[in-house]
Amino acid sequence: DQQVKQNSPSLSVQEGRISILNCDYTNSMFDYFLWYKKYPAEGPTFLISISSIKDKNEDGRFTVFLNKSAKHLSLHIVPSQPGDSAVYFCAASGLDRGSTLGRLYFGRGTQLTVWP
Amino acid sequence: GAGVSQSPSNKVTEKGKDVELRCDPISGHTALYWYRQSLGQGLEFLIYFQGNSAPDKSGLPSDRFSAERTGGSVSTLTIQRTQQEDSAVYLCASSSIAVRDSPRITDTQYFGPGTRLTVL
Repeated sequence: DQQVKQNSPSLSVQEGRISILNCDYTNSMFDYFLWYKKYPAEGPTFLISISSIKDKNEDGRFTVFLNKSAKHLSLHIVPSQPGDSAVYFCAASGLDRGSTLGRLYFGRGTQLTVWP
Repeated sequence: GAGVSQSPSNKVTEKGKDVELRCDPISGHTALYWYRQSLGQGLEFLIYFQGNSAPDKSGLPSDRFSAERTGGSVSTLTIQRTQQEDSAVYLCASSSIAVRDSPRITDTQYFGPGTRLTVL
């Protein structure tokens, strides 16, 4: 069962505009969320994270929003650049009895394409 | 400092052969994870090491899969009698993480470049 879901397999955005990538989760015990970016033939690269005690975390052009009641998070990239074109993975972890400390549960990823 | 490294970067093998995949984590990272990504899928958890012990092996898909970690550093994932469905990119990640009853230092995992395994 997919505990972290990214329902949009792809997103296409013009350079300079905002990219919004969405992620939903089902496990209410998740308390830490991360976004990773992955280029072809490379491992995922950590981008930004957020703890469940916050609802927003910002780092430069990247902002992650967390809505715990809706079990939803989103990644905003403003402004989008062609170099942002990659697959973006949402991941979550938690301390419930059934989970390994720090084990990450991943969505299937969203391919972002930023065109000039 | 150096990141997570994995070897080989690519491995092509014949069905039924055994393969070994290696991971060198970031120095000082006590936690080490193995994941795999099959075509069109997300990352699937395989096994977690804290030091040299593996408290969670629940993601290993069959008893043909095993892993070990020595000296709290290098880890080897072994797949015996490989099958075509084992073809995937195998990713290793490490993190500095406290034990369960202590506040977590960080859950951020840093990934290696992966090993692309192709079973013919």
